[in-house]
Amino acid sequence: GDSVTQMEGPVTLSEEAFLTINCTYTATGYPSLFWYVQYPGEGLQLLLKATKADDKGSNKGFEATYRKETTSFHLEKGSVQVSDSAVYFCALTPMDTGRRALTFGSGTRLQVQP
Amino acid sequence: DVKVTQSSRYLVKRTGEKVFLECVQDMDHENMFWYRQDPGLGLRLIYFSYDVKMKEKGDIPEGYSVSREKKERFSLILESASTNQTSMYLCASSLAGGYLTDTQYFGPGTRLTVL
Repeated sequence: GDSVTQMEGPVTLSEEAFLTINCTYTATGYPSLFWYVQYPGEGLQLLLKATKADDKGSNKGFEATYRKETTSFHLEKGSVQVSDSAVYFCALTPMDTGRRALTFGSGTRLQVQP
Repeated sequence: DVKVTQSSRYLVKRTGEKVFLECVQDMDHENMFWYRQDPGLGLRLIYFSYDVKMKEKGDIPEGYSVSREKKERFSLILESASTNQTSMYLCASSLAGGYLTDTQYFGPGTRLTVL
């Protein structure tokens, strides 16, 4: 079945450091790919998405490129802030099956220190 | 502003009790979902609904049932709560009636503890 694998956390960085959170997937068909973020005490919210190969999603300084050849969707940010501290979830939904819901990775906690 | 609300942020119940978790969305969305979130496991789909009175099982439906009598409301029911159902429960909704490329909007979650 479909699955998403994320790097284990927590990831601890100093403010203004470069961030990469790795995400790889296994899916039949051609999935859409998402990054969701969960701030402390809140529900998940969509950070960015990409619906086809080579698409780049971007939002709030975060970027991720849909790489079909490596089945990856790594999240990057050039300079993190303390306010970016949260749990980040990579997710997919396939385009050519009847499944209507997201398959999530296990989440990666990011801690940014001042 | 889009909104998904859940009836409780924290809930403590005893083993064997019947538990109702309520979710309401104000966006006129067709799809609604219930997930549970556990450390190291991410979010796992319990049930979803793509229309009033319609429901489909997700990946882990055992021990749960759902009800969708009105478009805006989706209830998760634990018929006889057990300690292994202690978890964070998240409700979500989305607009699309077909394949899911639209954004899912999440509620704040209900942390359920079963003693």
